[in-house]
Amino acid sequence: NAGVTQTPKFRVLKTGQSMTLLCAQDMNHEYMYWYRQDPGMGLRLIHYSVGEGTTAKGEVPDGYNVSRLKKQNFLLGLESAAPSQTSVYFCASTLSGTGTQYFGPGTRLLVL
Amino acid sequence: TQLLEQSPQFLSIQEGENLTVYCNSSSVFSSLQWYRQEPGEGPVLLVTVVTGGEVKKLKRLTFQFGDARKDSSLHITAAQPGDTGLYLCAGAPTNAGKSTFGDGTTLTVKP
Repeated sequence: NAGVTQTPKFRVLKTGQSMTLLCAQDMNHEYMYWYRQDPGMGLRLIHYSVGEGTTAKGEVPDGYNVSRLKKQNFLLGLESAAPSQTSVYFCASTLSGTGTQYFGPGTRLLVL
Repeated sequence: TQLLEQSPQFLSIQEGENLTVYCNSSSVFSSLQWYRQEPGEGPVLLVTVVTGGEVKKLKRLTFQFGDARKDSSLHITAAQPGDTGLYLCAGAPTNAGKSTFGDGTTLTVKP
């Protein structure tokens, strides 16, 4: 039982490049979330999903897209990376929308 | 957007001291959670409070949910260096499917 895993752990991109971050959970959770965390700040919700095949926008969705084709996976895409997207990205999952969130270890992204 | 304000933002104390961290909002939450995050890792849940006025204790940590379910506090007694970390509160409105996080309190406990 691995919980929530994220790949890659670290990535450097040039402005304008694209990439996909993968989040996987093996707890059969319905809800999954993508957050970004910047220095000195808490977690800001980018997008979330309340079930397979559904996604919704969070607080800071611009510049990101997501997909939830399988219940256990939640993908975060950056179509054209910008320096402002340099951050640490966390994925989380929960059984119910108000329950305990289980977080992955994070992906550190640097956009030059 | 429902905001959660945490205070203080930074706290540096000596081992053995007591401290309290606050989490305030103008919104009502069906539940409120406290997480602790260590450098390079994701947040880990400490406690969930759901009932107005509820008090929960976890060893030296005491959590309180306000009567109106708009605010919460975390009190640490006799802090230890191992308590060092970022403490985050998160509130979940009823049936929202998502939570709002505060900006966190960075605690440093010096030996």
